[in-house]
Amino acid sequence: EVQLVESGGGLGQPGGSLRLSCAASGFTFRSYSMNWVRQAPGKGLEWVSYISSDTTTIYYADSVKGRFTVSRDNAKNSLYLQMNSLRAEDTAVYYCARGPINSRWGQGTLVTVSS
Amino acid sequence: DIQMTQSPSTLSASVGDRVTITCRASQSIRSWLAWFQQKPGTAPKLLIYDASSLESGVPSRFSGSGSGTEFTLTISSLQPDDFATYYCQQYNGYSTWTFGQGTKVEIK
Repeated sequence: EVQLVESGGGLGQPGGSLRLSCAASGFTFRSYSMNWVRQAPGKGLEWVSYISSDTTTIYYADSVKGRFTVSRDNAKNSLYLQMNSLRAEDTAVYYCARGPINSRWGQGTLVTVSS
Repeated sequence: DIQMTQSPSTLSASVGDRVTITCRASQSIRSWLAWFQQKPGTAPKLLIYDASSLESGVPSRFSGSGSGTEFTLTISSLQPDDFATYYCQQYNGYSTWTFGQGTKVEIK
């Protein structure tokens, strides 16, 4: 069974940093690209970042470019999102999803940016 | 950037009704479109990909159609489990992903 489990969410300070992780199991992680997608409270879905299976191709939404960094460790079946210079508008549930069309999603981890 | 516009934003329907949701892209995305269902407090679930391909395990009452800039999701006979919010998502060229704003299907 495909499983994606996010962790690392919590309360972050404006201007601060958080690192999210996504642990994958039940499929050949190294063969799939991955996406991060977020959902602000009561709002719709917003794509955040993409990373190819071999890490050679990476994309970011304009809203996070220069502040967030996506990475992966195929040996550990894990995906990461380093979030720096946090803003209040980054408050959301963050999902990792199996690419390229987001066929499977984790349960999400809540990030709250507030002082 | 490609913008996706869904209509309606909210839809009131009864069990057994035929329901249609529309998604329009700001430029052609060929058939690079998916539909998702999301229930409160849970992650989205893929229903349709490549505009009209039914994801494995999804009931056949769900269908998708369209290409270019106009797409539809149809539920042929609405079931109690189908009351949820539905999103379209474009993935043209696998370089950007954009979601529609969502359509909430409510009980009439």
